[in-house]
Amino acid sequence: KAGVTQTPRYLIKTRGQQVTLSCSPISGHRSVSWYQQTPGQGLQFLFEYFSETQRNKGNFPGRFSGRQFSNSRSEMNVSTLELGDSALYLCASSSRISNTGELFFGEGSRLTVL
Amino acid sequence: DQQVKQNSPSLSVQEGRISILNCDYTNSMFDYFLWYKKYPAEGPTFLISISSIKDKNEDGRFTVFLNKSAKHLSLHIVPSQPGDSAVYFCAASEDSARQLTFGSGTQLTVLP
Repeated sequence: KAGVTQTPRYLIKTRGQQVTLSCSPISGHRSVSWYQQTPGQGLQFLFEYFSETQRNKGNFPGRFSGRQFSNSRSEMNVSTLELGDSALYLCASSSRISNTGELFFGEGSRLTVL
Repeated sequence: DQQVKQNSPSLSVQEGRISILNCDYTNSMFDYFLWYKKYPAEGPTFLISISSIKDKNEDGRFTVFLNKSAKHLSLHIVPSQPGDSAVYFCAASEDSARQLTFGSGTQLTVLP
């Protein structure tokens, strides 16, 4: 069973640009969550999508957005990039059948903003 | 305001001994707690979890203890192996939601 796949793995952008990251969940998983990992803040929840609808949203500005497609694949977008957006962006999927909260993470997309 | 805290950024243990990783939380609404392990250049992988209705859950070498009155949980690894060297994150969720609140992580180093 293939795991969570994130693309691209690494990317470099400059301030003011925008970026789109992609996530393919484990087959059969309909819930996709996004997390930001930085050295100073650790892992922070961005948002969760289920059945193409955003179910939860973390405390991030409106520059951070996402969407989910009918095949459960998800994208997140960050507009008007700032230096502080440099981070590892992790996507996680779950089946939502179990109520354990267990998430399966991808390897992440490492974004560097110059 | 950190709702989940891991106060020890690092821990070194000799191979074969017990590793104890600690985690404190402040939100009494948390009802599910998880531990994740993360190797460099990889995403976190699920290790073990515990529901708030239990005080102990065991899976092989890994045991998680939950003390609700103290809002404290710990992960015990016995015996520790060099392959256990990784960053361990404690996480918690409310109402079994998919939104996890993570601690800052503890780097465990198991010395051969």
